[in-house]
Order: sequence, then C-alpha cells, then structure tokens
Amino acid sequence: NAGVMQNPRHLVRRRGQEARLRCSPVKGHSHVYWYRQLPEEGLKFMVYLQKENIIDESGMPKERFSAEFPKEGPSILRIQQVVRGDSAAYFCASSPIIENTEAFFGQGTRLTVV
Amino acid sequence: DQQVKQNSPSLSVQEGRISILNCDYTNSMFDYFLWYKKYPAEGPTFLISISSIKDKNEDGRFTVFLNKSAKHLSLHIVPSQPGDSAVYFCAASAAGNMLTFGGGTRLMVKP
Repeated sequence: NAGVMQNPRHLVRRRGQEARLRCSPVKGHSHVYWYRQLPEEGLKFMVYLQKENIIDESGMPKERFSAEFPKEGPSILRIQQVVRGDSAAYFCASSPIIENTEAFFGQGTRLTVV
Repeated sequence: DQQVKQNSPSLSVQEGRISILNCDYTNSMFDYFLWYKKYPAEGPTFLISISSIKDKNEDGRFTVFLNKSAKHLSLHIVPSQPGDSAVYFCAASAAGNMLTFGGGTRLMVKP
C-alpha cells in the first residue's frame, strides 16, 4: 500500500518562475489537503479538494496560488511568479470519505526560491 | 486568530519519565482532535486521536485527555524514550477532516 506520494521532494526556483508541486493520495482516498510550513512555524491549512472540486480554499493566497485535483492524475499545487516568501515545506495529506478519521501526510516538497 | 494553540514551543524530559504536551483550542465546533509527530525533513505521522464524546483515549504508551469545558487537550507519553524526540502537533477538525494545527512542541527526551 503506497502512502501519499509527493514530488519533487526538493524544488529550487528563481524569483518569478512557476512552481508545480504534485501529490498522489493514498489509493482510494478522495480528499486531498495542502498545508504549508514556514520555517520555525506550524502547519497552515491552504486548500481542501475532492476529485474535480475545490471544497475550501480559505487558506490559500488569492493571487499566484492555485490547486486542482483532476479526475485522473495527481493533485497539483501551482505557484506562479514565486517570491522568496514562498520558500517553505508544502505538505499534502489525503483521507477517505469517512469523517473523523486521520489524514495521512506525504513527505512534503521543500521549495526554495532564490 | 489561532484556533489551536500549543503554548510550549519546547519540552525536555528525562528518559523513562512522563512527557505531557498541552494544547488549547477556541472553536467550540471542533469535535475531533488528533496528535501528529514529525521528524525533520519528513511528513507528520498520525499518533492518536480522540472524539469529543470521549475524555480519554489510550494507545500503548500514549494517552490523550480531552477537557471540553476548558477547551484543552493533552498528550501523555509514559515512559518517554529517546526515539520520541520529535515535534508534536495537535490538530482539530469540525464535522469533517480538514485539520487546524497548533504551532507544535519540540520534545527532547534525554537518555
């Protein structure tokens, strides 16, 4: 049983470039969540997606950030025109439909903007 | 506005003793609470959870206590082991699985 797979593990981008982070949830999980951890801080919720739908994006900056979870393929978190402040670890988690169950996290993508 | 708070950024405990990690929340709609453990450069791993209809849940060396009136939960680890050294996050959810996390507590267990 594969867990949540995130790639790449490390991503370096120059200011102004685009960053694409991928997340393949646990097989059978239909809910995906993205979290961001800034240095020396906790995990901050960004967006909650189900297949082909964004359920809650209240934690995601209004500009430059977007997320999708298509019918086929991984969930993608896209950051356009990256800035130094976007440098962080981005974690994806997935859970099944059942409520009140734990979410399983991937190993994260560490984005560094130079 | 932090809905979930872990007021102790770090905790140091001797091996074999009890570790007590605390967490406070403000949102009375939260009905499910979880603790995650995180090693550097890895994703958080689930440790233990508790539903709001309970006040205690135990799993081996780990016990979570929930005090709804005080909006407080705690994680007890006994006996503490050096391998328990990690950052511990408490998290809460309301009618679903979207988690709100605290800022984390770094636990150091000294041999």
